[in-house]
Amino acid sequence: DTGVSQDPRHKITKRGQNVTFRCDPISEHNRLYWYRQTLGQGPEFLTYFQNEAQLEKSRLLSDRFSAERPKGSFSTLEIQRTEQGDSAMYLCASSHPSGRRNEQYFGPGTRLTVT
Amino acid sequence: AQSVTQPDIHITVSEGASLELRCNYSYGATPYLFWYVQSPGQGLQLLLKYFSGDTLVQGIKGFEAEFKRSQSSFNLRKPSVHWSDAAEYFCAVAGGGADGLTFGKGTHLIIQP
Repeated sequence: DTGVSQDPRHKITKRGQNVTFRCDPISEHNRLYWYRQTLGQGPEFLTYFQNEAQLEKSRLLSDRFSAERPKGSFSTLEIQRTEQGDSAMYLCASSHPSGRRNEQYFGPGTRLTVT
Repeated sequence: AQSVTQPDIHITVSEGASLELRCNYSYGATPYLFWYVQSPGQGLQLLLKYFSGDTLVQGIKGFEAEFKRSQSSFNLRKPSVHWSDAAEYFCAVAGGGADGLTFGKGTHLIIQP
């Protein structure tokens, strides 16, 4: 079991550019979550997939954010027209269908810096 | 809405001393409770979790936590800390119908030699 992986680990972009992050969950984990963590804060829930269905979205997920999980395996999180306030660590987590649904395992995160 | 409060932003402990990190939660029913640890620039590692049953739960790395419903608390403890325990610790809560975890703001643990 290789754990949750995220790519890239770091991304520096200019304001107004689009960025896309990828998350590969632990194999056989059908639930996948995205969180955002800003400096000095705990992670904040963004959205959640069960298989390919996006079942929950936080009000933090503005129209500039979109997440997909087309085949129920890896997921992508895209931010359009990035703003400096988007600078944060974006964390992905997954959980197993037979386990308690809230027992989530996190990846190393993607740190986004918007200049 | 559920919430988590970690009252201590920073805690400094001498190596070998005991540790207790505080966590208070707000949730209308029986919560699912978690402690995670985060080293600098890294993701979160699950230390332990409480779902039901025995209110004292054991985790990895020698950590334990006690669920106290009357106090709405889930404090993390370790009898003797090691320098490698220096990190950020997060308490989190989830309800039965809510799939996203709600985290506290974290406690930064510093270990003095």
